[in-house]
Amino acid sequence: AQSVSQHNHHVILSEAASLELGCNYSYGGTVNLFWYVQYPGQHLQLLLKYFSGDPLVKGIKGFEAEFIKSKFSFNLRKPSVQWSDTAEYFCAVRAAGNKLTFGGGTRVLVKP
Amino acid sequence: EPEVTQTPSHQVTQMGQEVILRCVPISNHLYFYWYRQILGQKVEFLVSFYNNEISEKSEIFDDQFSVERPDGSNFTLKIRSTKLEDSAMYFCASRSPSGGENSYNEQFFGPGTRLTVL
Repeated sequence: AQSVSQHNHHVILSEAASLELGCNYSYGGTVNLFWYVQYPGQHLQLLLKYFSGDPLVKGIKGFEAEFIKSKFSFNLRKPSVQWSDTAEYFCAVRAAGNKLTFGGGTRVLVKP
Repeated sequence: EPEVTQTPSHQVTQMGQEVILRCVPISNHLYFYWYRQILGQKVEFLVSFYNNEISEKSEIFDDQFSVERPDGSNFTLKIRSTKLEDSAMYFCASRSPSGGENSYNEQFFGPGTRLTVL
């Protein structure tokens, strides 16, 4: 069965710092990869997705992620965070079928 | 921008009672999903629904659970006899049909219903 792991449960950083959130999955076949964000009090929103092609994917709000197939990883990055990036971030994988398998989430707190 | 909506936002029920959680997916979407997140744990897939039938379900989705699309707009999750361990945030999601064999459109999530079983 596929599984997704996110390395950090909590990240605290200051505005303008760079952010990188790790995500690894276990599945040997073709996958679609997603990063969702949940701002306080709001629903899950898609930040970016990878289906095929260029492994460096750009999403909304200055986020990007790199798919490294050999490492089964899909890490999320943002060069300079803002206070408004405070949220919980979820990596998700679609392998066989239609369902998404989620990682445990990473709570990011950006201090002003 | 169209959104998935869910009602109620918070449901409190007694153990053994039946609950129905309601979702209104985005109008041109054809794939529907329920997920849940127990406090402090991962978001877990429960069930997917397409063409008026369940297309996939997880081990969690036992005989106590059922889904229905009673009309053209609502998508419901029923828990027949709630247990304490059913307390969780329940998320509905919907997805439009893919553009073809090599595309997959993302799932749009609703705000969730927090179910508390006492």
